[in-house]
Amino acid sequence: QSALTQPPSASGSPGQSVTISCTGTSSDVGAYNYVSWYRQYPGKAPKLIIYEVTERPSGVPDRFSGSKSGNTASLTVSGLQADDEADYYCSSYAGSNIGVFGTGTKVTVL
Amino acid sequence: EVQLVESGGGLVQSGRSVRLSCAASGFTFREYAMHWVRQGPGKGLEWVSGITWNSDTKGYADSVRGRFIISRDNAKNSLYLQMDSLRTEDTAFYYCARDKPGTYLPDYWGQGTLVTVSS
Repeated sequence: QSALTQPPSASGSPGQSVTISCTGTSSDVGAYNYVSWYRQYPGKAPKLIIYEVTERPSGVPDRFSGSKSGNTASLTVSGLQADDEADYYCSSYAGSNIGVFGTGTKVTVL
Repeated sequence: EVQLVESGGGLVQSGRSVRLSCAASGFTFREYAMHWVRQGPGKGLEWVSGITWNSDTKGYADSVRGRFIISRDNAKNSLYLQMDSLRTEDTAFYYCARDKPGTYLPDYWGQGTLVTVSS
């Protein structure tokens, strides 16, 4: 149960796009289409923004999109806005009723 | 509105026990699997444990297996985490979270309760 690997930081200017990778193994990300992404502001609880690799919950803008190739999932935030500055975490089902989270990425809007 | 309210956190000595509770409202609790996720101070999220709607299946992270027990009481709309043999590395905010059906992963989260384990 090793944590999924994310880059520690990512940044972009307002209006630009930023993509965050999430690398796991053939036992988690590569094995299941159960990858979720969460946004977390400091001192707050995480909020679900993507589930099942590409699906957006109701109310999440289509600026947020997800994808997966092999053992790596990705989150793209398009049209960066100031309030996109937050920590982002991926997570994956790892089989046997086990979940695993990514190491987290701090997104900075320049 | 989905609400999850954790309680039971506090300061505890290494080796002792704590029981966390999570009161759920705003949805039909008995129909959903549930999770506990923790976050150490300044650290990332760590999935701790999950339980199916009927308590039939439970999962644990390697770091807590054998020390923590997850349970639920559907009649009381409540989720629990019994934490035994606590270690300083268990210090964290503990979040109760509802399962997104079919994904085995959380959707809605509570605000968390802080457990501090002292040596």
